[in-house]
Amino acid sequence: DSGVTQTPKHLITATGQRVTLRCSPRSGDLSVYWYQQSLDQGLQFLIQYYNGEERAKGNILERFSAQQFPDLHSELNLSSLELGDSALYFCASSPRHGVYEQYFGPGTRLTVT
Amino acid sequence: AQSVTQLGSHVSVSEGALVLLRCNYSSSVPPYLFWYVQYPNQGLQLLLKYTTGATLVKGINGFEAEFKKSETSFHLTKPSAHMSDAAEYFCAVSSANEKLTFGTGTRLTIIP
Repeated sequence: DSGVTQTPKHLITATGQRVTLRCSPRSGDLSVYWYQQSLDQGLQFLIQYYNGEERAKGNILERFSAQQFPDLHSELNLSSLELGDSALYFCASSPRHGVYEQYFGPGTRLTVT
Repeated sequence: AQSVTQLGSHVSVSEGALVLLRCNYSSSVPPYLFWYVQYPNQGLQLLLKYTTGATLVKGINGFEAEFKKSETSFHLTKPSAHMSDAAEYFCAVSSANEKLTFGTGTRLTIIP
C-alpha cells in the first residue's frame, strides 16, 4: 500500500458525460501528478500540482481539468467523454518539488460506452 | 525532450534463471532513472531509483540496476527469477521538471 488513495476504483459512463476522479496523496506529500494509462498510448503524464498550484502540464486534453484543494487532495475532471478516453487514470504523489520518487495510487479504471 | 526505450515488450525466463530487462534513455540533462513494477489490476510500485552517486542501485525484491552513462542504459536484473516476479515492468526518466516519462513496458513471464 503506497498510501495514495483513489476513488472510485471503477467508473462506467456514456459518451458525452462528465466524471470526477479523486485522489488523496500520502500524508505530508505536497505534489500530486495525474497519469493516463491506455493500451495505445501507454503511460502518459497529464498534469502536476504542487501545494495547490498547477506546476506542469503534459498531454492533457482541453476537455480535462484538474485542481488541488487546500487539504491537498486532487480531482481530475473529464468532460464530453469519448470512447477513446477509456483508460486507467493514476494519481501519484511525492513529498515536494524536485526530483523525488513518486508513489502511485491503485488507479481508477474508466470505461466509456 | 527525454525518452525511454525498453527493448522487448515480452520477456520469458525460467524460474531460477537470470532476469534481464533492458532500458535505454535519452536525456539532454543528467537523468534521474526509475524502475516501477505493475502487477495485474494494481498501481505502479517503485522498485528502485538512480539519482546521483553509486551507479549500481539495489531495490526491493532482489532487483538491481546499473546506470551506465556511456551506454545511456539502466538495465534491470535479478539473479534468480521467482514466480512472483511475473508482472509488467516500466523504466522511467525524469529531470528537473519532475514529470516521469515512461517506457512502453516489458511484460515478464516466469516459466515453471
